[in-house]
Amino acid sequence: GAVVSQHPSWVICKSGTSVKIECRSLDFQATTMFWYRQFPKQSLMLMATSNEGSKATYEQGVEKDKFLINHASLTLSTLTVTSAHPEDSSFYICSANLAGPYNEQFFGPGTRLTVL
Amino acid sequence: QKEVEQNSGPLSVPEGAIASLNCTYSDRGSQSFFWYRQYSGKSPELIMSIYSNGDKEDGRFTAQLNKASQYVSLLIRDSQPSDSATYLCAVKGESASKIIFGSGTRLSIRP
Repeated sequence: GAVVSQHPSWVICKSGTSVKIECRSLDFQATTMFWYRQFPKQSLMLMATSNEGSKATYEQGVEKDKFLINHASLTLSTLTVTSAHPEDSSFYICSANLAGPYNEQFFGPGTRLTVL
Repeated sequence: QKEVEQNSGPLSVPEGAIASLNCTYSDRGSQSFFWYRQYSGKSPELIMSIYSNGDKEDGRFTAQLNKASQYVSLLIRDSQPSDSATYLCAVKGESASKIIFGSGTRLSIRP
C-alpha cells in the first residue's frame, strides 16, 4: 500500500500556543488529504478535507480559524492547531487519497497532542 | 439512521475459528467499500477493498459485498490473537471524495 507519514508523532505544548502537524504522502501524489481527530475509545471524526491548491472544506462544528489547514503541494498538507487548549488534546490522524479507479485512502501514523 | 452501521462488539472468537464482521450502509449509490483494522493507540490500516458484488479473498481475509442488500462483511479465517483490534467498515459514494466510516467493531481473539 501507499505510505503516508506524519510529523511529529507526539507533541506536548502549553495552553495558548500553536502546534503544526505535517502530513506527507511519500510515494504518491495526493490532491486530496483528510484530517481526523480521535478521542480515547471513540470513533474517528473527520475534521476537514484538504485539497491541493484550494481552501479546505471543514465539517460542521469544526472551527476553521482554530484548525488551519494548508495543502501547498501534492505531497504535503499541514494542520495548525491555533491557541491550543487542554480540550484540544487528542489523536490527530491524516489520510491521503490515492487517485485511481478505487480511490483508496491511506492513513498516516497519527500525532498525539497533549495540551497542558 | 447512521450511514454506515456496525455492531460495536466486543466480538469474542476463539483462536483458530472464523471471525465474521458485518456492516450495512444506507447510500445505494455507494461504489467502493473498505475494511480497516485499528489497533489500540494506532491509526487505521487498510486491509481490504471491494467494489463488485461477491467475494474477494486475500490470505486469511475474505470480504463479501451484496449491493442489493447494502451489506458488506469481512471474514477472518484461522483467527490469531494478533487479529484482536477494532475493525472499521468504510464506504465511498460514486462522486464523493471522502469515505464514510462506521463506528467499528471491537474483535477479541481468545487463546
